[in-house]
Amino acid sequence: AQSVAQPEDQVNVAEGNPLTVKCTYSVSGNPYLFWYVQYPNRGLQFLLKYITGDNLVKGSYGFEAEFNKSQTSFHLKKPSALVSDSALYFCAVRDSNAGNNRKLIWGLGTSLAVNP
Amino acid sequence: SAVISQKPSRDICQRGTSLTIQCQVDSQVTMMFWYRQQPGQSLTLIATANQGSEATYESGFVIDKFPISRPNLTFSTLTVSNMSPEDSSIYLCSVDPFMGAGTEAFFGQGTRLTVV
Repeated sequence: AQSVAQPEDQVNVAEGNPLTVKCTYSVSGNPYLFWYVQYPNRGLQFLLKYITGDNLVKGSYGFEAEFNKSQTSFHLKKPSALVSDSALYFCAVRDSNAGNNRKLIWGLGTSLAVNP
Repeated sequence: SAVISQKPSRDICQRGTSLTIQCQVDSQVTMMFWYRQQPGQSLTLIATANQGSEATYESGFVIDKFPISRPNLTFSTLTVSNMSPEDSSIYLCSVDPFMGAGTEAFFGQGTRLTVV
């Protein structure tokens, strides 16, 4: 069965320190992986995605993520956290074997708190 | 990217009444989705809005409670019928331009519904 796991409900990091938000997935085919961010009282904003190619993908606001096929992971990272990065982060996956089924499978979200 | 206008942004409704949420996209999109999200929680897919045909509902959601219209490729509505306090939630419209297997989805700003 397809699934996404975000093992940490909350991540706390000091401003200026590197941050990592973890995501692991399970799909039958090749994964298409996405990260979204949700600021308070806002919709979801797309951050970055992995489709194919280079395992390290770069996205908006200085975020990047590394696809690791052997570990079925797609962790979100940023070298230096900002207080303004504090938000709810969602990992999502779409199975390449799903054909025209475009539904995304969502993780439960990780709340990131960056402390000044 | 697609720009999505979702209305209303928030509403407080009496139990037993219905609310219709509108989602307007600035370009024609193949697929539109409706989600429900409890504040701080993950997304739950309600249904896929199909242009020119009946929506496809996920398990636990039925047409009588959440009727959906999709009259064209840029517009959809979700109605929350006969509301109860349990329907209090954030409702999100999402579009998938389906321009390739790895195309990301985009979201409206959400409708925060409170049923009293």
